[in-house]
Amino acid sequence: SQQGEEDPQALSIQEGENATMNCSYKTSINNLQWYRQNSGRGLVHLILIRSNEREKHSGRLRVTLDTSKKSSSLLITASRAADTASYFCATDPLLTQGGSEKLVFGKGTKLTVNP
Amino acid sequence: DTAVSQTPKYLVTQMGNDKSIKCEQNLGHDTMYWYKQDSKKFLKIMFSYNNKELIINETVPNRFSPKSPDKAHLNLHINSLELGDSAVYFCASSSRKKTENSPLHFGNGTRLTVT
Repeated sequence: SQQGEEDPQALSIQEGENATMNCSYKTSINNLQWYRQNSGRGLVHLILIRSNEREKHSGRLRVTLDTSKKSSSLLITASRAADTASYFCATDPLLTQGGSEKLVFGKGTKLTVNP
Repeated sequence: DTAVSQTPKYLVTQMGNDKSIKCEQNLGHDTMYWYKQDSKKFLKIMFSYNNKELIINETVPNRFSPKSPDKAHLNLHINSLELGDSAVYFCASSSRKKTENSPLHFGNGTRLTVT
């Protein structure tokens, strides 16, 4: 069954505002990754957060991870029109015997930043 | 100097035909993948090869056959195309670790339309 579920499905904001997207998952993980997809292009990796980390920053991106709630959030601060894209979380499930299995992607949040 | 390149970008064909999509990566990665993205943007893994060896083979019709001549190339051949095969197919690559999934590098996709 699908692991990651993003929320909301779509988000429309004005330039300069912050955008927050959430991801919930069901099983234990090694890490959680966020990707961005511009229209007609492939996914681009943004940030990876491991299960023993709670927060990570990269430029205007801030990712949090709450393993007790099995959820993560991606915050984009001071958004720009160029941030318009779909954002996906992908979970790396932790196998009971250790190691990892395939990444599982959510359905994505479509972000529109209006100029 | 594209990192993961796949051809063609667009493929329009009729039901029953056989077609191939090619993928090459110049990142020195040892693992390559094929993903299918449907009209609702849901991204699902199809196959994964590590050093030319098949390591992930999801429940995919056997009309789909991947081939990896070397670790920099992973091609996808599809026999007897059906309407439901219409989707965007993404190639990706990564450096495989035993303990976790590394970030994926995606190509820009091949939009397959079966008429």
